[in-house]
Amino acid sequence: QQQVKQSPQSLIVQKGGISIINCAYENTAFDYFPWYQQFPGKGPALLIAIRPDVSEKKEGRFTISFNKSAKQFSLHIMDSQPGDSATYFCAASIATDKLIFGTGTRLQVFP
Amino acid sequence: EAGVAQSPRYKIIEKRQSVAFWCNPISGHATLYWYQQILGQGPKLLIQFQNNGVVDDSQLPKDRFSAERLKGVDSTLKIQPAKLEDSAVYLCASSLLLARHEQYFGPGTRLTVT
Repeated sequence: QQQVKQSPQSLIVQKGGISIINCAYENTAFDYFPWYQQFPGKGPALLIAIRPDVSEKKEGRFTISFNKSAKQFSLHIMDSQPGDSATYFCAASIATDKLIFGTGTRLQVFP
Repeated sequence: EAGVAQSPRYKIIEKRQSVAFWCNPISGHATLYWYQQILGQGPKLLIQFQNNGVVDDSQLPKDRFSAERLKGVDSTLKIQPAKLEDSAVYLCASSLLLARHEQYFGPGTRLTVT
């Protein structure tokens, strides 16, 4: 019940396309859902986050869509660029404490 | 603002040897975390400190792993003795006490146990 399931494992997108990564959770007590971006040899960096009282949050080309009833949330990267090539992790936490991470999605954007 | 510093960046040891990792969090960050990231997986929390006290160590294999945070600043994570399955990247993160959801990660230490 503490798991966060992430898909797909890998994603190949052409430059300018839309990248979509999905996550699902079981524990309805989760109240904070961040996305982290990790480049090779670097630690994860917070990209964007959402709380369950809103259905969508947008920051630049990155959008989180949240479906509370389905217990799913997704990351959309609009106009994907080669510089977006990285591994993306969704996560969830209760009361901003321990983060439970998904298994990651390796995104490759080709020019 | 300087980020989270970790050393060493890479370490190769033989099984049954011991190893220690060091972390210096962002100045002013009261909360410090150690995560284990196995290849192809997301980070898994090992231990969380608030100042120099342990908040959560429920997933720390205490028979071989230990961690301390003296004076509420730097922290060390030790493995003794190491096993093959300990091969992973060990990430340190820190956050402000009142913004624990915004965790800042260091570059990690890649440990290979042969």
